[in-house]
Amino acid sequence: AQRVTQPEKLLSVFKGAPVELKCNYSYSGSPELFWYVQYSRQRLQLLLRHISRESIKGFTADLNKGETSFHLKKPFAQEEDSAMYYCALKRSSTLGRLYFGRGTQLTVWP
Amino acid sequence: DVKVTQSSRYLVKRTGEKVFLECVQDMDHENMFWYRQDPGLGLRLIYFSYDVKMKEKGDIPEGYSVSREKKERFSLILESASTNQTSMYLCASVSTWGGLNEQFFGPGTRLTVL
Repeated sequence: AQRVTQPEKLLSVFKGAPVELKCNYSYSGSPELFWYVQYSRQRLQLLLRHISRESIKGFTADLNKGETSFHLKKPFAQEEDSAMYYCALKRSSTLGRLYFGRGTQLTVWP
Repeated sequence: DVKVTQSSRYLVKRTGEKVFLECVQDMDHENMFWYRQDPGLGLRLIYFSYDVKMKEKGDIPEGYSVSREKKERFSLILESASTNQTSMYLCASVSTWGGLNEQFFGPGTRLTVL
C-alpha cells in the first residue's frame, strides 16, 4: 500500500520569509513524487516533479528516500505563492495513477 | 497545449436525480480520471480509465459510475444524487508515453445536491 501525508492543513508565513511545506510518503517500491498547486479560481496544475530536479517559481523539492520525504521549499515567499498545494505519489507499477495527500493551504501575508 | 474541459462549472441538482458530468481532452491521452475535491480531504479518486471502454474503481466509487465510449471523453454518472455528493469534481488526463506522467486537470464542476 502507499500513503501520502501532508501534516499541515494550513500554513501561514509573511512575505520574504522561508517556507517549507512538508510531505511524507510510505511506499515500498520506487516512487515518483510530484507537487501540484491550485491558485484561487484556477485549475490544479503541476508545479514540479522530483525526477526533473528543477526549480519552478523559486520552489525546490528534494526526494529523501531515507526519510521518505519530499518537502517543498522556497527561501523567500511571495504573496502570489498563496495557494493550495498537494503532494502526490506515483507507484512504479501503475500507469499514470497518482495518490494525493490532503493538501496544505499556504497563505503569504504582506 | 493540453486542454481538458468539463461540461459545467456549476450544477445544482435535486436528491434522486441522475447526473451526468462530462470531461473531454484534446491530446489523445490514454488515461483519464475523475476525482472529488473536498476541504480537508484532498483529492479522492472515484474512477479511472486506461482505454476506451475500460474502467477501474478508485477509492470512493460507491454511488458513481463512468462511461468511456470514445478516447477523448470520460463521463461520470451519479445514478441517484444524494446530498453527500455535493462537492467539487475534477477530471484529469495523462499520457504515460515518454515517462512524463503529468496529469492535466479540468477546471472542475461544483455540484450542489439539494
